[in-house]
Amino acid sequence: AQSVTQLDSQVPVFEEAPVELRCNYSSSVSVYLFWYVQYPNQGLQLLLKYLSGSTLVKGINGFEAEFNKSQTSFHLRKPSVHISDTAEYFCAVSDGNYGQNFVFGPGTRLSVLP
Amino acid sequence: GAGVSQTPSNKVTEKGKYVELRCDPISGHTALYWYRQSLGQGPEFLIYFQGTGAADDSGLPNDRFFAVRPEGSVSTLKIQRTERGDSAVYLCASSSEPGVSYEQYFGPGTRLTVT
Repeated sequence: AQSVTQLDSQVPVFEEAPVELRCNYSSSVSVYLFWYVQYPNQGLQLLLKYLSGSTLVKGINGFEAEFNKSQTSFHLRKPSVHISDTAEYFCAVSDGNYGQNFVFGPGTRLSVLP
Repeated sequence: GAGVSQTPSNKVTEKGKYVELRCDPISGHTALYWYRQSLGQGPEFLIYFQGTGAADDSGLPNDRFFAVRPEGSVSTLKIQRTERGDSAVYLCASSSEPGVSYEQYFGPGTRLTVT
């Protein structure tokens, strides 16, 4: 079974500073990777996804992530965060099949401080 | 267009009672998923429908949980003899055909509290 690790449960960062949220996955086969964001009292929203092609993926709100197959990682980055980026961020992995093979990590709470 | 909707947004019930949670997916989406999200955790897969049939129900924790999607659109998650441990946010998501897009569109969730 696949698993997703998000080592940082909470990341505090000052406004306009860069941030990296880490994600590692267990599968060694072909995978599809996703980052979702959950704002307070809202549903999950897709930030970006890696299906194939360029390993550097750009998403909404200035976020990007880099797929590293050798390190089985898919870290999320933003060069300059805003207060409005405060939210919970979830990494997810799929082997291309739906159902139980779409696995979410435990989440990282990003808190942007003024 | 309209997104995924879930009703009710909040449900408080007593231990032992029966509850139904409803999900209305994006029109035309054939795939529908139910997840459970406990406090401080990521969504945990429960069941996946492709059309009217449950393609994968391996995430349902026990036989008190059941879900239907009789016409391939709206789905209902049913929980019998609720327990306090069932308290969580239940999320529904939908997506288009596999191989076209792997993106899942999530609803706002139903917060279930069992007292």
